[in-house]
This record gives sequence, structure tokens and C-alpha cells, in this order.
Amino acid sequence: SQQGEEDPQALSIQEGENATMNCSYKTSINNLQWYRQNSGRGLVHLILIRSNEREKHSGRLRVTLDTSKKSSSLLITASRAADTASYFCATDPYNNNDMRFGAGTRLTVKP
Amino acid sequence: SQTIHQWPATLVQPVGSPLSLECTVEGTSNPNLYWYRQAAGRGLQLLFYSVGIGQISSEVPQNLSASRPQDRQFILSSKKLLLSDSGFYLCAWLGTVPSPLHFGNGTRLTVT
Repeated sequence: SQQGEEDPQALSIQEGENATMNCSYKTSINNLQWYRQNSGRGLVHLILIRSNEREKHSGRLRVTLDTSKKSSSLLITASRAADTASYFCATDPYNNNDMRFGAGTRLTVKP
Repeated sequence: SQTIHQWPATLVQPVGSPLSLECTVEGTSNPNLYWYRQAAGRGLQLLFYSVGIGQISSEVPQNLSASRPQDRQFILSSKKLLLSDSGFYLCAWLGTVPSPLHFGNGTRLTVT
């Protein structure tokens, strides 16, 4: 069964705008990760945030984590057409080795 | 550096035929290994994971099986494929936590 759930399922924005995607999960976690998938390809890791961290930045990416609400958000600033892809969150539960993914958000950035 | 190899990239198989997908990892030892399946336009479903040689955890009862005969080799198999087995199969490895999953390029399986 899936652990994380992203919303929205799909998001369409203009180049230069910011894109925000959310992820909710159900159990306690060690860390939460965000991945990107271009159509028909494997997933590429974007950023990892530990359970004791609240915010993390990497280039144009900003991730927040609220363990009390069991939720995370991914913000992509100044989006580009090349950011068009599906974005997934994944959680690493305590005492388990099973990494579980949400259904993903399909982001389309229009030039 | 670590790399992961997954093959074949695409596969078309008739219903009832057997399946064997192989995944190997280089440059690391004792990784956790994972098989995921992704239906078209959907999220990833965890099928199997392994924390060591011969240790397989199954997430979903189905006609698929997995084996880990060597530390860095993970095999997904089926004796008789079903139409519903069609999908995009992804292998991944995980190092010492906390670390990200590293994915192969996937195998697109079409069962006809």
C-alpha cells in the first residue's frame, strides 16, 4: 500500500511561476524524500529531509516538513519548461526498510 | 561510483509465458534492493524488497516472485504472466540510511 499521497494530482503553470506540491503520509518516518520522473524514465532523487528538520533548500527547490501534521511540501521557484515532469514523495518509515511512494503530481510548465 | 543496471529496457511477452527481469548494482555492498511497478500515469507500487542475500519481503500477493542470489543481484520472476502484469518495472537500491533510492532506467513490460 502507498504511504504518501501527493496533491494536486496535476498542476499546470506558466514558466517563471512557482509550483507547490504537497505530500501527506501516515506513519512515523526517519526521513522524507522527493523524486522527479521524466516520462518513461527512472526516478531521480531531488532532496531528502530528515524527521528532525523543518526546511531544506537546494537550488530552486525548497522542501518543508511538518511531522505533527505528517505532511511535506515541495516548492519549485521560477519554474522552467524543463521542470515538466512527475514529482513523487517517498517516506522511510521507522524500523522498516520499505520505501513507499505516493501517486505523484504531474507538473506541466508552459513556455 | 555506484551504478545500477536493469534489463531489458522493453519486453513484449504473451500471456502465460515466464518472466525474468534482472537488476545488478555495482560499487556498493549489502544494499537494500527494491522492485517497484508503475502502471501508466500512476504512482509506484512496492512489490518486493530485500535487505540481504536470500531475504525477500513481499508486499503484494500476486503471481510474481523475487530472488536475491548474490549480494548485488535482484531478480523478478513469474512462471505465467497475466495481462495485468503489464507495466513499468523499476529496480532500485538504498545504501546506509539516510540516503536516497537510486533507480535503474526501468523495464517496460507489455503482456499481450
